[in-house]
Amino acid sequence: NAGVTQTPKFQVLKTGQSMTLQCAQDMNHEYMSWYRQDPGMGLRLIHYSVGAGITDQGEVPNGYNVSRSTTEDFPLRLLSAAPSQTSVYFCASKRQGRPQETQYFGPGTRLLVL
Amino acid sequence: AQSVTQPDIHITVSEGASLELRCNYSYGATPYLFWYVQSPGQGLQLLLKYFSGDTLVQGIKGFEAEFKRSQSSFNLRKPSVHWSDAAEYFCAAIMDSNYQLIWGAGTKLIIKP
Repeated sequence: NAGVTQTPKFQVLKTGQSMTLQCAQDMNHEYMSWYRQDPGMGLRLIHYSVGAGITDQGEVPNGYNVSRSTTEDFPLRLLSAAPSQTSVYFCASKRQGRPQETQYFGPGTRLLVL
Repeated sequence: AQSVTQPDIHITVSEGASLELRCNYSYGATPYLFWYVQSPGQGLQLLLKYFSGDTLVQGIKGFEAEFKRSQSSFNLRKPSVHWSDAAEYFCAAIMDSNYQLIWGAGTKLIIKP
């Protein structure tokens, strides 16, 4: 089991560029999510999905798009990067249905937007 | 509004000393409560969780946490810290039917040799 994997680990973008952060899990989890982590702010939910073909917005969705065509993959797209999107991005997954299910995190992607 | 508060941004503890990290929540009922740890440059790992029953919860790596309804708290404790415990610790809670985690801002633990 690889768990939750994310690529790339690091990325530098220029303002206005687009990119996709990749996330995959091999635990057959229905629920997947994207967070951003900024100093002093904990984790903030960007988008989440409760199954293939179903996505929803979290607390800070603006500037980000997601899709879920398979159970395993949940890519996050930045359409036109802005310096405010400089952050560390974490993908997570868990089994759907019970609130006490453990959420498993990927190692993160550090993004710098110049 | 529902929220999770970790009052201490940084805590410094000597190796071998005891540790208590504070977590308070704002919610009218009993939430589902979690503590996660993030080692430098790593993702987050679940230490322990509480959802019902015994209010003293045991976790991995020798950590425990106690749920106190009267104080709306879920403090994390360890009797004797090791240098490898240096990390950032996050408290989180589920407080409504959408089952989304609400996160505290984190407490960075520094270990003095």
